[in-house]
Amino acid sequence: EPEVTQTPSHQVTQMGQEVILRCVPISNHLYFYWYRQILGQKVEFLVSFYNNEISEKSEIFDDQFSVERPDGSNFTLKIRSTKLEDSAMYFCASSGGAGGGETQYFGPGTRLLVL
Amino acid sequence: AQKITQTQPGMFVQEKEAVTLDCTYDTSDPSYGLFWYKQPSSGEMIFLIYQGSYDQQNATEGRYSLNFQKARKSANLVISASQLGDSAMYFCAMREGGGRDDKIIFGKGTRLHILP
Repeated sequence: EPEVTQTPSHQVTQMGQEVILRCVPISNHLYFYWYRQILGQKVEFLVSFYNNEISEKSEIFDDQFSVERPDGSNFTLKIRSTKLEDSAMYFCASSGGAGGGETQYFGPGTRLLVL
Repeated sequence: AQKITQTQPGMFVQEKEAVTLDCTYDTSDPSYGLFWYKQPSSGEMIFLIYQGSYDQQNATEGRYSLNFQKARKSANLVISASQLGDSAMYFCAMREGGGRDDKIIFGKGTRLHILP
């Protein structure tokens, strides 16, 4: 069964460093998302992406964040200068396959720890 | 105001019993979708079941069913014949609007413990 994959599974970085989180959405999906979950809290929307453009972004998604679909398969989230409060689990999701499905399927997440 | 409310922070249930996890939602949009996701201790987010606002029948997926009461804005998850592997965090979530790229808003979750 097709699934969303994410790399790395864990990332430890120093405050101020840039990180890139990578995702491979389900191959025929058209809509892509990033969410984050701070430890012990609920999942929060960051950004949605369709047709090579950001569709919507939350107030969390400030100028330190960017997304890119550099090729036909990868979808990346970049944090330019990480802060301690960026420590969280980051989930990529995709939806909108050929059947027009509305369900967002999530990847296994990247656990980011900023020291 | 909370868009998704899950009033049970934690539940303990005996194995093989049925479980109902509560969820109420708040929206004025006539078109919306409701989801339940399971998050085991390993952290991944597993899709369980989806209900569209215009769906006439309650959604079912194997042991999972969604008790959709539109007038009450309620979308409870029912797990029949619970198993030890059902122990996890469960999130109710909603997509507002008819756009296929609309974001999902999550509730705070219910931690379910299945007892042997």
